[in-house]
Amino acid sequence: GAVVSQHPSWVICKSGTSVKIECRSLDFQATTMFWYRQFPKQSLMLMATSNEGSKATYEQGVEKDKFLINHASLTLSTLTVTSAHPEDSSFYICSASGLFGTNQPQHFGDGTRLSIL
Amino acid sequence: QKEVEQNSGPLSVPEGAIASLNCTYSDRGSQSFFWYRQYSGKSPELIMFIYSNGDKEDGRFTAQLNKASQYVSLLIRDSQPSDSATYLCAVKGGNQFYFGTGTSLTVIP
Repeated sequence: GAVVSQHPSWVICKSGTSVKIECRSLDFQATTMFWYRQFPKQSLMLMATSNEGSKATYEQGVEKDKFLINHASLTLSTLTVTSAHPEDSSFYICSASGLFGTNQPQHFGDGTRLSIL
Repeated sequence: QKEVEQNSGPLSVPEGAIASLNCTYSDRGSQSFFWYRQYSGKSPELIMFIYSNGDKEDGRFTAQLNKASQYVSLLIRDSQPSDSATYLCAVKGGNQFYFGTGTSLTVIP
């Protein structure tokens, strides 16, 4: 149980393109979804936290107009990287936390490797 | 600032030995504690969770929690080369998660 599906698994696109990444909880309802970015050999960096039906909370230094997050249902959140540039190339990982109880862990998707040319 | 501290390592152990990974946290109100394993180039996967003081065993893994000392650890018995990864400690209080920066473990055949 507790499967999180993330698509696409990798994207290569030209500078200036907008890229959408989907994160779905397949077998549980996710009240909260998280978006992370990770550069090679570095730690996870939390970008934003989203609760279903409300605006995402962005971490300091993360541009909310560049990284658009939508969490319209209890099973789906999307991250859109708008007008992507080479410096946005990274490994983006979503995670989801379930509806019931304070002890619910985060379950991670497989990640999306984004390369901007 | 709520913090989760881990020794970044690298920690090297010979195959078959016990690997001991440690984590301390600053928020006494923390309620849930998780260990994730992250292989290079992959996303983290949940391997253990613990909520109460004491030990919790699952196969070769044992999580230990001491809330008075604000300390949580992960023991890996009979370490295998396939256990080589970065291990992330995560602490939850309310709906907030705090991750450590991870400890890199290498199991030497």
